[in-house]
Amino acid sequence: AQSVSQHNHHVILSEAASLELGCNYSYGGTVNLFWYVQYPGQHLQLLLKYFSGDPLVKGIKGFEAEFIKSKFSFNLRKPSVQWSDTAEYFCAVMRYGGSQGNLIFGKGTKLSVKP
Amino acid sequence: DAGIIQSPKHEVTEMGQTVTLRCEPIFGHNFLFWYRDTFVQGLELLSYFRSRSIIDNAGMPTERFSAERPDGSFSTLKIQPAEQGDSAVYVCASRPRAGGIGYYGYTFGSGTRLTVV
Repeated sequence: AQSVSQHNHHVILSEAASLELGCNYSYGGTVNLFWYVQYPGQHLQLLLKYFSGDPLVKGIKGFEAEFIKSKFSFNLRKPSVQWSDTAEYFCAVMRYGGSQGNLIFGKGTKLSVKP
Repeated sequence: DAGIIQSPKHEVTEMGQTVTLRCEPIFGHNFLFWYRDTFVQGLELLSYFRSRSIIDNAGMPTERFSAERPDGSFSTLKIQPAEQGDSAVYVCASRPRAGGIGYYGYTFGSGTRLTVV
């Protein structure tokens, strides 16, 4: 069965530290990849997405992610985090085929940024 | 744009009671999804609709869970009877019809926090 793994449940960083959140997926076919963010008390919002082309994807708020097909990975990065980046981050996979484009999510990583 | 409206925002109920959660998707969105967010499992897809038809409800944990979308607009998720293990945040999402493969523009609701005591 397809799965999405996020390696860290909770990450604590100080402001200006660099961030990398890991995401691996198990599906072997063609996939679309996403990172979503959920700020406290708010709904999920799209940070960035990958369909094809350049494997380095830039999203909003200075986030980027790199798709490495050979490693089935789509790690999220930000060079310098801010206190306002405190949120929960979800990696998600959408695959082609009979399931008609369902988003399958990882368990999420809580990021706490200390001022 | 009010976004997806889920009601209630919070629900506290006793074991054995019937709980009904409601989702008003974005107007015109053909697909509607119910997710459950728990500490242990994260966001799990419970079921989803295309218009008024259930396409997949394999993620529903037990037969106590049922979902409907009678006229292809709003949807309800019913838990009958509720158990303590059902405590979670239930998140609704919707997206428009799409002509091809790709990202379909999911919109997510803020969820209903259910506590079963």
